[in-house]
Amino acid sequence: GESVGLHLPTLSVQEGDNSIINCAYSNSASDYFIWYKQESGKGPQFIIDIRSNMDKRQGQRVTVLLNKTVKHLSLQIAATQPGDSAVYFCAETQGNQFYFGTGTSLTVIP
Amino acid sequence: GAGVSQSPRYKVTKRGQDVALRCDPISGHVSLYWYRQALGQGPEFLTYFNYEAQQDKSGLPNDRFSAERPEGSISTLTIQRTEQRDSAMYRCASSLRLAGNEQFFGPGTRLTVL
Repeated sequence: GESVGLHLPTLSVQEGDNSIINCAYSNSASDYFIWYKQESGKGPQFIIDIRSNMDKRQGQRVTVLLNKTVKHLSLQIAATQPGDSAVYFCAETQGNQFYFGTGTSLTVIP
Repeated sequence: GAGVSQSPRYKVTKRGQDVALRCDPISGHVSLYWYRQALGQGPEFLTYFNYEAQQDKSGLPNDRFSAERPEGSISTLTIQRTEQRDSAMYRCASSLRLAGNEQFFGPGTRLTVL
């Protein structure tokens, strides 16, 4: 099966600092990647996406970086806020199937 | 506006019973996905529909699982002869476009098989 995994299961950051969440994927044929945020008791919420023909994409306070050479994806959150505390999943798509990683739990320390 | 809704939110059933889980996608969304999510894990793809047509059911664990979307809107995931290992959170997602990339997830149905 496909493997989409995260390097660190938990991450704690101080409020106001930047956060970096990493993700490795195994299928070089994947052409689209997404980061989701999941708060306790809720469904995953889309954050940002990137296609394989790009290496960087920025949103509001978030940046996704894609390194196809080493099959690595990262999510950077600027000026992390308490509301950013959640589990973050990366997902890769192959055709119309989405494969999600295990998730990284981000805790923001006030 | 209304998001994706799922019902019931919680379902407890006895082993061997059939269950039907319902998903109401966002109005106008053409693609609908079903996932299963274990605690602490990412969603696991089960199947998806474009309109009423089931496009891919390769993620369904076995033939006890089936899904339909007869009118291209509401979908039902049915599990026959439930087993304890079927206990999980079942999530539905919809997207505006065909094979749309931004999926909007519902709150899920927590299934417990005793």
